Amino acid sequence: SQQGEEDPQALSIQEGENATMNCSYKTSINNLQWYRQNSGRGLVHLILIRSNEREKHSGRLRVTLDTSKKSSSLLITASRAADTASYFCATGPPINAGGTSYGKLTFGQGTILTVHP
Amino acid sequence: EAEVAQSPRYKITEKSQAVAFWCDPISGHATLYWYRQILGQGPELLVQFQDESVVDDSQLPKDRFSAERLKGVDSTLKIQPAELGDSAMYLCASSLAPGTWNEQFFGPGTRLTVL
Repeated sequence: SQQGEEDPQALSIQEGENATMNCSYKTSINNLQWYRQNSGRGLVHLILIRSNEREKHSGRLRVTLDTSKKSSSLLITASRAADTASYFCATGPPINAGGTSYGKLTFGQGTILTVHP
Repeated sequence: EAEVAQSPRYKITEKSQAVAFWCDPISGHATLYWYRQILGQGPELLVQFQDESVVDDSQLPKDRFSAERLKGVDSTLKIQPAELGDSAMYLCASSLAPGTWNEQFFGPGTRLTVL
């Protein structure tokens, strides 16, 4: 089952513009991660934000997390044609009280980003 | 740079046949994952290994799928018999340790087409 829902499903922009993708989830989390997948390839980890963090930056990426709204956003600034890919959010569940269950990542359905040169 | 290796990259088979996929994780990574990704969707975990032991196979269709990691290094995922609905990308990933906060490194995947 997929916990995350991403919005929009597809996004088309011009090079140099900013791209914003949103992710909503349903249950409590330990962390939320964003991954990129180029067409027909494996996933590449972009950034992880923990449940007690509100914002995180990595290069041209900015991620926000609002646990009260169970939502996150990924902002890519000054986009490039090479940013064309599918972007997925993935959530990690809270560690159980006994600390023996680490849980598993649950991925959303992704946003397809196309950046036109 | 160390990478997760997978083979084959593409596999076409007829329904009712057996197929097998191989994964070699990054050296030293104790945790290995097999995911299935249906076109247009995000990956879904099929099985997770910690060294040679299965720690989560709750989403693995055990009547037809099997996975092993005998020496705690490389791993094989098998489907027998394959069905039309098994057509998907099969992704292998590895991480240093369990826990979703540990970065997972993905291989290029095996795209399976069942005719």
